[in-house]
Order: sequence, then C-alpha cells, then structure tokens
Amino acid sequence: ILNVEQSPQSLHVQEGDSTNFTCSFPSSNFYALHWYRWETAKSPEALFVMTLNGDEKKKGRISATLNTKEGYSYLYIKGSQPEDSATYLCAFASGYSTLTFGKGTMLLVSP
Amino acid sequence: DGGITQSPKYLFRKEGQNVTLSCEQNLNHDAMYWYRQDPGQGLRLIYYSQIVNDFQKGDIAEGYSVSREKKESFPLTVTSAQKNPTAFYLCASSTMGLNTGELFFGEGSRLTVL
Repeated sequence: ILNVEQSPQSLHVQEGDSTNFTCSFPSSNFYALHWYRWETAKSPEALFVMTLNGDEKKKGRISATLNTKEGYSYLYIKGSQPEDSATYLCAFASGYSTLTFGKGTMLLVSP
Repeated sequence: DGGITQSPKYLFRKEGQNVTLSCEQNLNHDAMYWYRQDPGQGLRLIYYSQIVNDFQKGDIAEGYSVSREKKESFPLTVTSAQKNPTAFYLCASSTMGLNTGELFFGEGSRLTVL
C-alpha cells in the first residue's frame, strides 16, 4: 500500500498571511503528483499535475514545487484570502490509471 | 455546461438493501472512477473504467459492483455484502492518463445505511 502523507492536517491563518503545505510520497515508481482544492459542498478541482523533478507551477497566488528524488511537494499560497479556505489534497500517480490520495490539509482563512 | 452529475446527493437505506449511485458525464472522457471518502481518510479507489464495457477493481472493491455500458455513464452498486457502506462517494473522469491529466469530479453522494 502506497503512503501519501500531508502536513499539517489543518491550518488557520489570517487574511494576508502566506502559507505552505507539504505532501510526501514514495520516491520510486513516480509518474505524477496532483494537487486538488476541495471547497465545502463543491467538487474537488485540480490545481496542478506535476510530472518532472524540479517542476514549479503557478496559478495566481498559488504555486507548487516538486522534488521526486526525495519524495515531496510543497504548495504555497501567497497572501491568503477567505476564498482560499478549502481542503487541499495531493495525490500520487504510480501508473497511468490510479491515484493514491493523502488525507488532505484543511485551510481556514479568517478575514 | 460540461461536467459530472452524481445522483442522488443524499441517500438513506436500510441494512441489507442494495443501492445504486448514478454518475453521468458529458465531457466525452474515456476513463471514469469511483472513490470513497471516510472521516480522517484519503479518497480510496473503488473501481475504475478506462473504456466502455471494461472496468477494473480498485483498492476497496469488495461489496461493490459497477457497469460501463455507455461512455457517459458509470453507475456504482453498493451491495449488501459491503460491511460499512455509510460513506461519501465521489465519481470522477479523465480524458487522458493520470500521469499527465487531472481528474474531474462530481459533487458526490452521501450514503447512510440505517
């Protein structure tokens, strides 16, 4: 069974704070690392699919980095806003058809 | 709008009854998936299908069954053999392999077995 760990489990920050989360995954048999944002009562939405060691991706105030050799990815949110409140999931692809998900990091941003 | 529709959103059933959760997509995606979420756990894969009339078991397939008779539809039946069926179920689809492409999710169905 593959192990994908996310930390912290939850986070409460103030509006304007920058924050980051970690996703740890096996360093072997790597195909891709996915990040999703899941807002309450909505569908999870993809943020990034990262495939190459050293990859850095950015979408607005959110960015992510990838280190496949040591098996971790960081997700950064710059200047958090209340609308960033959500659960952030990472998922590890060890093949073409399946993902192993972490338990998620729940972010609450207070105005 | 293109997307994935799951129904029903909430479902209550008595123990021992089979229930079927619907998942329909109009994204023209080849692959479809069913995941289960339990409190404090990551999403776990129940079944997936990469093409019509073909599907594979995921990590927790016991007590579940699926069919893929049409590209747009991938219903999940929770049978009476599933020991702990109360959970939140998510359906997803993808247009390409997960080594490059992302999952598109429905809004989920919450099943409560009384």
